Amino acid sequence: AQSVTQLGSHVSVSEGALVLLRCNYSSSVPPYLFWYVQYPNQGLQLLLKYTSAATLVKGINGFEAEFKKSETSFHLTKPSAHMSDAAEYFCAVRTTNTGNQFYFGTGTSLTVIP
Amino acid sequence: EPEVTQTPSHQVTQMGQEVILRCVPISNHLYFYWYRQILGQKVEFLVSFYNNEISEKSEIFDDQFSVERPDGSNFTLKIRSTKLEDSAMYFCASSRGRDRYFEAFFGQGTRLTVV
Repeated sequence: AQSVTQLGSHVSVSEGALVLLRCNYSSSVPPYLFWYVQYPNQGLQLLLKYTSAATLVKGINGFEAEFKKSETSFHLTKPSAHMSDAAEYFCAVRTTNTGNQFYFGTGTSLTVIP
Repeated sequence: EPEVTQTPSHQVTQMGQEVILRCVPISNHLYFYWYRQILGQKVEFLVSFYNNEISEKSEIFDDQFSVERPDGSNFTLKIRSTKLEDSAMYFCASSRGRDRYFEAFFGQGTRLTVV
């Protein structure tokens, strides 16, 4: 079975500080992994995706994530938080076993403190 | 930039009533999906649709639910007789292909409140 766990439903960082949002996955086959962001009153927007090429993936708005198979993790980072980064972040997994479904985590709400 | 649009943004309905949630996927996409998120819980898969038929559905998608692509642009989710537990944010999504490489593009969601 496939699943995603996001540790920390709420994360607060100061503006300019490192952002680290955690995602661990469970999959019996090599996964494709995605991070989506949801700004207030908007839909889910793709930040980045891992598709078995480079393990360090760069996305939009300065975010990146590293796939670590040994840790079954795909944590999202940004070196310096900006006020506009305040949003809900979702990690998702998609594998050949799941057809065309995405399995999402519960989401992490990021607050940026000025 | 092309986007998935959903209407309405918020729907309030009485228990037992039928609701139709509407979506316009991105025009050259082939796969369409409905997901939902009950407040504080995970985003859950409901159904996927390809070539005018359901491709996959979850156990949530029971006989009370149906989907339709009535014309070349709209994709609808119907709940026949709403229950209180159907209150959730419903997301429509579309993707260019089925392969896991393809990301899904999501709409802004319809918040359904059943009273």
